[in-house]
Amino acid sequence: SQTIHQWPATLVQPVGSPLSLECTVEGTSNPNLYWYRQAAGRGLQLLFYSVGIGQISSEVPQNLSASRPQDRQFILSSKKLLLSDSGFYLCAWSSAHGQPQHFGDGTRLSIL
Amino acid sequence: DQQVKQNSPSLSVQEGRISILNCDYTNSMFDYFLWYKKYPAEGPTFLISISSIKDKNEDGRFTVFLNKSAKHLSLHIVPSQPGDSAVYFCAANGVSGGSNYKLTFGKGTLLTVNP
Repeated sequence: SQTIHQWPATLVQPVGSPLSLECTVEGTSNPNLYWYRQAAGRGLQLLFYSVGIGQISSEVPQNLSASRPQDRQFILSSKKLLLSDSGFYLCAWSSAHGQPQHFGDGTRLSIL
Repeated sequence: DQQVKQNSPSLSVQEGRISILNCDYTNSMFDYFLWYKKYPAEGPTFLISISSIKDKNEDGRFTVFLNKSAKHLSLHIVPSQPGDSAVYFCAANGVSGGSNYKLTFGKGTLLTVNP
């Protein structure tokens, strides 16, 4: 069966520090991969998606970037965190367009 | 511009009764709709979906109804159980803003099932 792993579960970072969140998927090949953010009191907002290695599409302009160095690995990064980057970050995968997306347990990021 | 709206931020239901969660959308290009359940500190879990070619899909205690003319869908949970207490997100997919892969989510409805 397929599983998705995200780490860390919680993270506290100072303003201006770098960020690297990692997500890996097991049990499937060539998945579509997604990064979402849920800010306080808001719904899930798609940040990035990837349909293959090295292929990244950005949905909103922001302080973050994403990379997909391997088929089942998706990384969310920032060179300098802002206070507004605080939130709950979720990684998800799907087998194809039109199929449900399955989420990891998320990373709670707090910026101080 | 919120394309998927869940106008009820919360809903409280007695155990054993029906829970009805509602969702409205504005983009007529959406062709696939999903419901997710989310517990605190966990990622959303996929519950049930429906394609725009159908008006009903049932899976155990969960049924999703789609009214395309009204751009409205609802999730019915019968009978409701205390373990159903969670935040429920409605999501839609389709050719939206040029992206075929994007799920657009509502803000969620907190369901509380009282014993």
